[in-house]
Amino acid sequence: DQQVKQNSPSLSVQEGRISILNCDYTNSMFDYFLWYKKYPAEGPTFLISISSIKDKNEDGRFTVFLNKSAKHLSLHIVPSQPGDSAVYFCAASANSGGGADGLTFGKGTHLIIQP
Amino acid sequence: EAGVTQFPSHSVIEKGQTVTLRCDPISGHDNLYWYRRVMGKEIKFLLHFVKESKQDESGMPNNRFLAERTGGTYSTLKVQPAELEDSGVYFCASSHNRLGELFFGEGSRLTVL
Repeated sequence: DQQVKQNSPSLSVQEGRISILNCDYTNSMFDYFLWYKKYPAEGPTFLISISSIKDKNEDGRFTVFLNKSAKHLSLHIVPSQPGDSAVYFCAASANSGGGADGLTFGKGTHLIIQP
Repeated sequence: EAGVTQFPSHSVIEKGQTVTLRCDPISGHDNLYWYRRVMGKEIKFLLHFVKESKQDESGMPNNRFLAERTGGTYSTLKVQPAELEDSGVYFCASSHNRLGELFFGEGSRLTVL
């Protein structure tokens, strides 16, 4: 029973265009969401996060949007650069209780930026 | 500042053998987590230490897995005896507080033959 779903295993985007990665969740207790980026043979690195009290958080080229009613979040990268090619994991936590202490991750989306 | 370090980076063992994975968190981080990623699937939570105490071990698969964090510093995760389905990448992560971002190590890849 997957509580965090990333339905696109891979996504190919041309350099300079916008990359949109999607994530859906089922657990209504989740109140904090994060995106992690992972290169091969490395551990995930934190990218950006959003609290459930917000619907948007922006950091440079990266913006995360949260739609609580739809239990959906998305990560926008604009403009996309070759170094953005990596696997992106959506993660969620129920900081105010109701679940395991750890983050619940999706399966990841492999983003490929084409020159 | 050194990041989260894990050892070994890759271990190949036979079914029935024992393996011990080690994690050194970022200095000063009280929270230490173990996660596992199996065969390109999602990264799954195993357990969470706060200092030397197990805060949550609800993700541990079974009693073949034993995690310790002596003195609240480094942590070890022992698998005994290892089974084929234990193969995967074991990630350790640490954080200063329970909320917010986790800093991950590079992972220990375990292959059980």
